Amino acid sequence: GAGVSQSPSNKVTEKGKDVELRCDPISGHTALYWYRQSLGQGLEFLIYFQGNSAPDKSGLPSDRFSAERTGGSVSTLTIQRTQQEDSAVYLCASSLPTGYQETQYFGPGTRLLVL
Amino acid sequence: AQSVAQPEDQVNVAEGNPLTVKCTYSVSGNPYLFWYVQYPNRGLQFLLKYITGDNLVKGSYGFEAEFNKSQTSFHLKKPSALVSDSALYFCAVRFDTGRRALTFGSGTRLQVQP
Repeated sequence: GAGVSQSPSNKVTEKGKDVELRCDPISGHTALYWYRQSLGQGLEFLIYFQGNSAPDKSGLPSDRFSAERTGGSVSTLTIQRTQQEDSAVYLCASSLPTGYQETQYFGPGTRLLVL
Repeated sequence: AQSVAQPEDQVNVAEGNPLTVKCTYSVSGNPYLFWYVQYPNRGLQFLLKYITGDNLVKGSYGFEAEFNKSQTSFHLKKPSALVSDSALYFCAVRFDTGRRALTFGSGTRLQVQP
């Protein structure tokens, strides 16, 4: 079946602009995660959605970052007033919420470059 | 805080030889350990996980990993490396006392030479 999809695959923007990144999880997966992969910081957790529960936003690096999940499926990560340090690969993952043993399945990522 | 360490930035091995990619974790409850592989310009691909039970876990593409509680390690192994195994490997952990998100190691680049 279809895996996690993300769009766009690449995004180049100018410093100060806003960007939106999209994630389509695997059908039926109610848990959705955003991570960021950068050279200096490795793989970092950003935000976690599970069903109708309040999201875990503990990984968001600043208030310029926000995310929403509409209808329990598609999620959008928004970065306002982008900075050069926001350049990274943004990865989305989804899973069935089977507890701590759950396996997360990742999308191909969106490569963001802020000029 | 939960953490996981991959002490080697890069591992080089000849094709046909056994390979080991190391991973150790800090103890903060019962660990759930994962290995993922990343090929160039691709997302992370799940290889295997340890949740409980047998300490030797078998996964995709002939990989296996051994959970060692006394050494707090979860090293990834393969008896015979292939050139196509060359990629970036990540160890990840979550604990039953912590958040649901995974904490990743810094990654180890495996280079298999023909």
